[in-house]
Amino acid sequence: GNSVTQMEGPVTLSEEAFLTINCTYTATGYPSLFWYVQYPGEGLQLLLKATKADDKGSNKGFEATYRKETTSFHLEKGSVQVSDSAVYFCALRKGDDKIIFGKGTRLHILP
Amino acid sequence: ETGVTQTPRHLVMGMTNKKSLKCEQHLGHNAMYWYKQSAKKPLELMFVYSLEERVENNSVPSRFSPECPNSSHLFLHLHTLQPEDSALYLCASSQDLSGGVSGELFFGEGSRLTVL
Repeated sequence: GNSVTQMEGPVTLSEEAFLTINCTYTATGYPSLFWYVQYPGEGLQLLLKATKADDKGSNKGFEATYRKETTSFHLEKGSVQVSDSAVYFCALRKGDDKIIFGKGTRLHILP
Repeated sequence: ETGVTQTPRHLVMGMTNKKSLKCEQHLGHNAMYWYKQSAKKPLELMFVYSLEERVENNSVPSRFSPECPNSSHLFLHLHTLQPEDSALYLCASSQDLSGGVSGELFFGEGSRLTVL
């Protein structure tokens, strides 16, 4: 079946560091891929998405590229801020199937 | 007015109490969901409603009882819960079961439940 695997956290970085959170998926065909973010005390919200191979999703300085050859959708940001501290969820959706979330990666940014 | 509103934000209840969680969406969506988020566990999909009909029930104990009176409102009735049911309960909605053109789920801020 379809599944999403993302790196275990927590990830702790200093402000202005480069961020990568790895995400790989298992699915037949071409699912849509998403990153959701959950800030402290809030629900999840969509950060970015990509719907076909080689698409790049971007928002708030974050980027992720849909790589079919490596079945990956890694999240990157060039210079993180304290306000980026949150839990990040990689997810996929194939057609009309329900969305499948990864386990989440907690990110701590130190000032 | 936020898209998906959940009340109460915090709830403490004893194991013999009966309480309800409420979710309201102002987005004109046709599908609504309940998720459970526990510490150090993946998000668990509990129930899915489409056009007020339950379409998924993921082996959730009967002490959790959902209700969807219309496409804008979703309730989770709680009865004789256990301490391990303490968690953040998240409501979400989407345009339809496929998520519509965007494929996106819209979440509320959650109801933090503590069972004593």
